[in-house]
Amino acid sequence: DQQVKQNSPSLSVQEGRISILNCDYTNSMFDYFLWYKKYPAEGPTFLISISSIKDKNEDGRFTVFLNKSAKHLSLHIVPSQPGDSAVYFCAASTNTGNQFYFGTGTSLTVIP
Amino acid sequence: DSGVTQTPKHLITATGQRVTLRCSPRSGDLSVYWYQQSLDQGLQFLIQYYNGEERAKGNILERFSAQQFPDLHSELNLSSLELGDSALYFCASSVNLLSGGPATGELFFGEGSRLTVL
Repeated sequence: DQQVKQNSPSLSVQEGRISILNCDYTNSMFDYFLWYKKYPAEGPTFLISISSIKDKNEDGRFTVFLNKSAKHLSLHIVPSQPGDSAVYFCAASTNTGNQFYFGTGTSLTVIP
Repeated sequence: DSGVTQTPKHLITATGQRVTLRCSPRSGDLSVYWYQQSLDQGLQFLIQYYNGEERAKGNILERFSAQQFPDLHSELNLSSLELGDSALYFCASSVNLLSGGPATGELFFGEGSRLTVL
C-alpha cells in the first residue's frame, strides 16, 4: 500500500519559470515531511523539510507547502534552473521517525 | 559526497544465488537504513538498525536479512535471488537521538548498489 503518492511521473518547465511538484499522503499520523532530490548515478540528497505544525517552509528558491486537511504537500522551485533537472522524491514519517515512506518520484526537466 | 559508502556499485548474478551488499555509514551515525528501488517504484523501506540492533522493519522478504556490526557498518544479505530482486539498493544513515529516530529527519544516502539478477 503506497502511503505517499506522487502522481506525476514527469514534469517539464522552462528555465526561469516556476516548477510545482505535488505529493499526496494517506496516513494522518504522518507529521514530518521531506523532499529529496536525486541525480542519475547518485543517492538521494535532502532538499527541504516541513513539520506538521507549519504550513510553509522556505529555503532560497525552494518552498514547501503543507495542506494537512487535504493530506497534500507541494514543492515550489522559483525560478527553475537547468541544474534543478533531477528526480524529486517526497517522504513522510511519524513522530517516532524510525521509518520514512517515500513516493515514487517526479522527474523534473528544466528546459534552457 | 554524503559520507555513506556502499559496495559493490554494480553486481550481476544468477537466479538462486546469494549476494551481500555492504554499507559504511557517515562517521558518528548510529543508524543505518536499507531501501530498495525497483524500476518505476519509489524507495521501499526494508529495515533499520540502530547501534547494532534492529529498530524497524518494512517490506523485507524472508529471503533477505541484514545486520549491523560493532563498527557500525551494515550488510544486507539477499539469498535465493529471483529476477524480481533486480533493483537499486540504497543504504542511508542519520544523526540520531537516543530513541533511534533521526533528529532532523534527514537521511544521508549512499550512491546505491545496482543488482541485476539474470
